[in-house]
Amino acid sequence: KQEVTQIPAALSVPEGENLVLNCSFTDSAIYNLQWFRQDPGKGLTSLLLIQSSQREQTSGRLNASLDKSSGRSTLYIAASQPGDSATYLCAVNNQAGTALIFGKGTTLSVSS
Amino acid sequence: NAGVTQTPKFQVLKTGQSMTLQCAQDMNHNSMYWYRQDPGMGLRLIYYSASEGTTDKGEVPNGYNVSRLNKREFSLRLESAAPSQTSVYFCASSLDRRYEQYFGPGTRLTVT
Repeated sequence: KQEVTQIPAALSVPEGENLVLNCSFTDSAIYNLQWFRQDPGKGLTSLLLIQSSQREQTSGRLNASLDKSSGRSTLYIAASQPGDSATYLCAVNNQAGTALIFGKGTTLSVSS
Repeated sequence: NAGVTQTPKFQVLKTGQSMTLQCAQDMNHNSMYWYRQDPGMGLRLIYYSASEGTTDKGEVPNGYNVSRLNKREFSLRLESAAPSQTSVYFCASSLDRRYEQYFGPGTRLTVT
């Protein structure tokens, strides 16, 4: 059964710092991987989608990488801002593409 | 575009009552999903509809039924609510199951 783990569970950094969030998954037979942001009491906002054939995707200050063979993905956030404070969720789509399996998230706090 | 909309936003039920959660999307997406989010458990798939006219069980389908009313709408029904169904329910949609999922704002359900 696919399991997704995100480390650390919580992270606090000062404004301006570059940071990396980690996601690992146990079954490398995935269709794609998606990173989300969730603000308290809100829904999920999609940040980046990486297909299994891709190595990385970039959007603004965000860069996500995927190493399918080792079961790992990282989300790199450059020059962090207080507005980046949120919970970041990683989810993998199984090989049939029928379900997202989520990690429990990393809660990020960026102080000014 | 409103994206994915859900009604109601909040609901309190007594054990044994029934209710239907409504979800609609205006992005002409083929696939739709229902998830629940619980503290410490993360997000888990309840049911999904890969295309209009089809529905399939996810990880935690017991106690729920779904209806894909048309391409736009996907409803989730609790026939006899139980306290264990207290959760935040999210609806999501994607162009098809290989693509990015977009989430609604959620319904907070409390069963007493």
